[in-house]
Amino acid sequence: AQTVTQSQPEMSVQEAETVTLSCTYDTSESDYYLFWYKQPPSRQMILVIRQEAYKQQNATENRFSVNFQKAAKSFSLKISDSQLGDAAMYFCAYRKRYGGATNKLIFGTGTLLAIQP
Amino acid sequence: EPEVTQTPSHQVTQMGQEVILRCVPISNHLYFYWYRQILGQKVEFLVSFYNNEISEKSEIFDDQFSVERPDGSNFTLKIRSTKLEDSAMYFCASGQVYEQYFGPGTRLTVT
Repeated sequence: AQTVTQSQPEMSVQEAETVTLSCTYDTSESDYYLFWYKQPPSRQMILVIRQEAYKQQNATENRFSVNFQKAAKSFSLKISDSQLGDAAMYFCAYRKRYGGATNKLIFGTGTLLAIQP
Repeated sequence: EPEVTQTPSHQVTQMGQEVILRCVPISNHLYFYWYRQILGQKVEFLVSFYNNEISEKSEIFDDQFSVERPDGSNFTLKIRSTKLEDSAMYFCASGQVYEQYFGPGTRLTVT
C-alpha cells in the first residue's frame, strides 16, 4: 500500500526567507502524481503544485517549487520569499496514475508552517 | 474562478440520526470524491464517484454511508445512523484528469 510521510509536524520561518518542507512516500508504482496542498485556518484545501512522476523537471509555480527525487521517493516543497499569507498547514499527497482520475489522494499528516513577521 | 461549495458549514446531530452533507462540484468536472479529517488527524479518503456510480471506497465507507448525485449538479453524502466517531470535517472534492479541488468542508459534530 502507498504511504506518505511528512516528518516535520511544525516549522517556522521569518518573513521573506526561504523554507523547505519535506515529504517522502512509498509506492511500488512507477507512474503517479504528487501534490502539495495548503490548508489555511479557514480550512479549505488549496492546490499549490503538482508533479508528474514521469517528468524529470521539477515543477514550479511562482514562489513555490519542488525538489522531486524519484529514486529516493522524496518530494519537498520550497517556498521562497515567505509571506504572512503562506502560514497554513501543508499536506503532501500522492495519487497513482494507472486507473485514471477516480484514484484517491493519499495524504501525509501535514506540516504546520508559521511565518514570523 | 469556479469553486466547490458545501452546505452546511457546520452540522450538529445526535447519535443515531441521519445526516446528509451536500456539495456542489465545479460544473464541468466528472469525478467526485468525499474525504474526512478527524480533528488532529490526516485527511482520509472515503469514496470516489464517476459516471453515476462508486469507483472506489475505503474501509471507512461502510453500509452506513451512501453517496448520490441526485440532479446532475449536487453530490451528497448520507450517513444513515451517526456514531460519535463520525465527528469530523467532511470535504467534498471534484476533478477532471489531474487535480482534485476541495470544498471548504462541513464540520459534523455528533453528540
